[in-house]
Amino acid sequence: NAGVTQTPKFRVLKTGQSMTLLCAQDMNHEYMYWYRQDPGMGLRLIHYSVGEGTTAKGEVPDGYNVSRLKKQNFLLGLESAAPSQTSVYFCASNKEGETEAFFGQGTRLTVV
Amino acid sequence: AQSVTQLDSQVPVFEEAPVELRCNYSSSVSVYLFWYVQYPNQGLQLLLKYLSGSTLVKGINGFEAEFNKSQTSFHLRKPSVHISDTAEYFCAVREAGGYNKLIFGAGTRLAVHP
Repeated sequence: NAGVTQTPKFRVLKTGQSMTLLCAQDMNHEYMYWYRQDPGMGLRLIHYSVGEGTTAKGEVPDGYNVSRLKKQNFLLGLESAAPSQTSVYFCASNKEGETEAFFGQGTRLTVV
Repeated sequence: AQSVTQLDSQVPVFEEAPVELRCNYSSSVSVYLFWYVQYPNQGLQLLLKYLSGSTLVKGINGFEAEFNKSQTSFHLRKPSVHISDTAEYFCAVREAGGYNKLIFGAGTRLAVHP
């Protein structure tokens, strides 16, 4: 049972480049989330999804887009990367009606 | 809206000593409270949670936390720490309902020294 898997694990981008981070969960969870982790700020919610085909904005959505075309996958896109988006990105999933969220191992993104 | 304040950014402690990591929260609605641990270069792992009932909750690895509604606190404690407890600890809160969106504190880095 893989749980929550994020790809890639590391990436370096140049300013203005685009990329997509993939999150896949095999637990049939309804809810999925993208967080970013920055030193001294904990984790902040970027976007989330409560089911296939749905997305909603979190606390810090600007500069990111998401899609959830399949229940098991939640994609985070950066259309034009900026140095301020240098961070560690975590995906999480949660079964509806349950309280525990499960986290992926993170993607370390550096924008130069 | 909810917010979480972790009062210490770093806590150094010697092995086998007790430790307390402090967390205060604010919310105008009922909340659930969580502590997560992050080992170096790892994702987050749930240590324990408070949903309702007994205010003292026990988690994995010998950790426990006490919910204090009047002081809006949820401090994490361990009576005797090990080197392996060195990690970053995050307190988090979410509404008792809704879509399980977690609000995290800034984290406390626990450094256990021999």
